[in-house]
Amino acid sequence: QKEVEQDPGPLSVPEGAIVSLNCTYSNSAFQYFMWYRQYSRKGPELLMYTYSSGNKEDGRFTAQVDKSSKYISLFIRDSQPSDSATYLCAPWVEYGNKLVFGAGTILRVKS
Amino acid sequence: DAGVTQSPTHLIKTRGQHVTLRCSPISGHKSVSWYQQVLGQGPQFIFQYYEKEERGRGNFPDRFSARQFPNYSSELNVNALLLGDSALYLCASSLASANSPLHFGNGTRLTVT
Repeated sequence: QKEVEQDPGPLSVPEGAIVSLNCTYSNSAFQYFMWYRQYSRKGPELLMYTYSSGNKEDGRFTAQVDKSSKYISLFIRDSQPSDSATYLCAPWVEYGNKLVFGAGTILRVKS
Repeated sequence: DAGVTQSPTHLIKTRGQHVTLRCSPISGHKSVSWYQQVLGQGPQFIFQYYEKEERGRGNFPDRFSARQFPNYSSELNVNALLLGDSALYLCASSLASANSPLHFGNGTRLTVT
């Protein structure tokens, strides 16, 4: 079993839709949770990071962590064609030295 | 402000050759990490350096090595290249060695023929 699992997609939605992207993980030592967006032929761009459980909101993006079920979500409101990219979740062990990435979910927002 | 810069952007090498990839971190960042991303997969951790010392190493063979310089820039070296080394090599920098968000460059696309 992989440490971090993501549905690879592609997830295709119409412009303006609410998008839900999800990850599950197996290591209970993970304390920090990052979401990255990666456009084709580019490096991952940090979108949001949260510590432990709870919600964090930034503009159209909301990150949610449920440590009891080892489940991470990223919600995108009013999705735009420019949101079309691969979304990577990446937990981090506190005081650890590496991110553990999921394989990423491909999102396509149709105009 | 300049982000993480990597050079070269693309590289084509032959099996058995050696390659050196370079990375300049964001100004003020003292930690540099290297990741390998194979097509269709998430990045895999190779190394982390902080204040010129290796702080972590992923599950990669000894053909992979790295170092960090006094100005916090870094090099990743790969010897005896194999076809399976073809990937996007990503460098990331952060302020601290732990519990600090990583900011990635756009990577070096390495093709081994």
